[in-house]
Amino acid sequence: EVQLLESGGGLVQPGGSLRLSCAASGFTFTNYALAWVRQAPGKGLEWVSLIDNSGAYTDYGDSVKGRFIIFRDNSKNTLSLQMDSLRADDTAVYFCARHGGNGAGWDYLDNWGQGTLVTVSS
Amino acid sequence: EIVLTQSPGTLSLSPGERATLSCRASQSVPSNWLAWYQHKPGQAPRLLIYGAYNRATGIPVRISGSGSGTDFALTISRLEPEDFAVYYCQQYGRAPHTFGGGTKVEIK
Repeated sequence: EVQLLESGGGLVQPGGSLRLSCAASGFTFTNYALAWVRQAPGKGLEWVSLIDNSGAYTDYGDSVKGRFIIFRDNSKNTLSLQMDSLRADDTAVYFCARHGGNGAGWDYLDNWGQGTLVTVSS
Repeated sequence: EIVLTQSPGTLSLSPGERATLSCRASQSVPSNWLAWYQHKPGQAPRLLIYGAYNRATGIPVRISGSGSGTDFALTISRLEPEDFAVYYCQQYGRAPHTFGGGTKVEIK
């Protein structure tokens, strides 16, 4: 069974940093691209970032580009999101998700975690 | 970026009725790489449809996807109690992989 378990969420002040992690199990981690998707309170889903199976290709949404970094540790089956210069509008539940398909990231999201809440407030 | 507009924002229907949700793209979605997800509060989103019309594993036949180019639809032929949720479309044919704003299907 595919499992994705996010951690690292919490309360942080504006301008601060936070690192999210996603522990994966139940599949061959190195075969799949991964993504982060977020949902602000009362809002819809927003695509944040993706990383291919090797870690060589990454992409970001315009709202987080230059502030967030996605990376993965294929030896530990872990996906991470380093978030710097956080703003109030980054407040959201952050979901880790697995891409289906060939590992490049150009496909749908076939498995999702339950999410972790990030609150940016003073 | 490709902007996806979902309509209506809210659909109020009774169990057993047919639901038709629309997703319109600002430009043609490459290869019709469009997916639909179901999301309930406090849960992980669930993949329903990929490639515009392919059902994901375990998705019942009452749920179907259609469309191509810029106009796509998700149809639930007869609503079951577990179908009341929010539905999102997403295109993954061009970066960034944008989502629509969602359609809430609520019990009338």
